[in-house]
Amino acid sequence: DGGITQSPKYLFRKEGQNVTLSCEQNLNHDAMYWYRQDPGQGLRLIYYSQIVNDFQKGDIAEGYSVSREKKESFPLTVTSAQKNPTAFYLCASSAQGPGELFFGEGSRLTVL
Amino acid sequence: AQSVAQPEDQVNVAEGNPLTVKCTYSVSGNPYLFWYVQYPNRGLQFLLKYITGDNLVKGSYGFEAEFNKSQTSFHLKKPSALVSDSALYFCAVRDPNYGGSQGNLIFGKGTKLSVKP
Repeated sequence: DGGITQSPKYLFRKEGQNVTLSCEQNLNHDAMYWYRQDPGQGLRLIYYSQIVNDFQKGDIAEGYSVSREKKESFPLTVTSAQKNPTAFYLCASSAQGPGELFFGEGSRLTVL
Repeated sequence: AQSVAQPEDQVNVAEGNPLTVKCTYSVSGNPYLFWYVQYPNRGLQFLLKYITGDNLVKGSYGFEAEFNKSQTSFHLKKPSALVSDSALYFCAVRDPNYGGSQGNLIFGKGTKLSVKP
């Protein structure tokens, strides 16, 4: 089935460690996105990529990094510079045009 | 600045009654509007969208929404609520003038819908 796969579903990290969240899609979508979700704050855009080898910062990019070496993959690294990394992270993709985004099932990161 | 407002943090409805989840928006150009639903610890599921055309949009699971340009609103409605509709609902707007070739999605803070038997 076509869709977006995020892994891991749950992740625990010690302070000072970097962690990478995986996002893979087989929808042949050009655009991919990373959002962060915190209770009562909705979704906030971290990074987005319209094409391979290109990406732009969203509203809350500080402390995060991404790469887009393949069309299917858009991994997110949460670095030790992110002050409050505990959150639910959602990856999404979309085709060209003004249509909807398709979301993965999310990754919940907890910093111990 | 682009924004989406969902004025109610929570909406409580009895099963079988009609439900409305409110959404208003502010964008500089013509908006593309979306509704999503989220169940606990899950991703967002797409319900419906307004891009152009008829102001009344029908979507998944019996939901519909009405685009009102003069009131800048896009309220989500369902004629008869089910207990299984209980979830978190997000309104979102895509502004072609903001970010990327088609605009990035800007989300409201979400409305928790609770349907009681």
